[in-house]
Amino acid sequence: DTAVSQTPKYLVTQMGNDKSIKCEQNLGHDTMYWYKQDSKKFLKIMFSYNNKELIINETVPNRFSPKSPDKAHLNLHINSLELGDSAVYFCASSQWGDSEAFFGQGTRLTVV
Amino acid sequence: GESVGLHLPTLSVQEGDNSIINCAYSNSASDYFIWYKQESGKGPQFIIDIRSNMDKRQGQRVTVLLNKTVKHLSLQIAATQPGDSAVYFCADLINKFYFGSGTKLNVKP
Repeated sequence: DTAVSQTPKYLVTQMGNDKSIKCEQNLGHDTMYWYKQDSKKFLKIMFSYNNKELIINETVPNRFSPKSPDKAHLNLHINSLELGDSAVYFCASSQWGDSEAFFGQGTRLTVV
Repeated sequence: GESVGLHLPTLSVQEGDNSIINCAYSNSASDYFIWYKQESGKGPQFIIDIRSNMDKRQGQRVTVLLNKTVKHLSLQIAATQPGDSAVYFCADLINKFYFGSGTKLNVKP
C-alpha cells in the first residue's frame, strides 16, 4: 500500500492553463505539505496544513492554491501556468511533532 | 537569515570507500537534525536524526556526527554501495522541513 500517493505522476500542459495535483496519505497523519523541487534539486517548502488548517505559506504566487478537504488529502491547484512553474512537486505528510516526513513519488510538471 | 545548508553540490566516491557528506547550520538554537536521502525519481526518505545532546549517532552503515561548537554535522556512510547514489539533504527541527539544496553522491563502480 502506498503511504503517500500523488496523481498524476507526469503532467505536461501549455502556458496559461489551470491544473491540479492531488495528494492522499493513508498514514493517519495530521500534517501535510507541498514542496517544489527545481532542476538543481533545490527542495523548497510551499505550504503545510495541520488538521486541515494552513500553517505554513511560503512566498508562493497566489496562482497556487492548496485545498485540504480532509486530513488525508491536500490538493494543489495552479492557475495560469507559467514556464517557471515547471518542476517536480512533492507532497508529504507527518504527525506534527515527529521528525520524519513521508514523501510521495512526485509530480513532474512541464509547462510548454 | 538562518539557514541549514550543504557544503558541496556533488560528491564522487569509489564503491567500497567511506563517504562523508557535510552540513552547516547557523542557528545556535537548533537542537535536532534530520538527514534525508532522495534516490532518482523518488521522493526524499528519512535516514537518521540526531539531537543536540548527542555528538554521534549510528545507524546501519550510517553515522551522524554533530559538532555544536562549529555548527557542523556530517553524515558518514561506510562501505559505500551503488545503492547509496542519491541526493542527501540535512534539515534542522527549527527549520524543520526547509531542505534547501542537497549533495549528490555518485558512487563509482
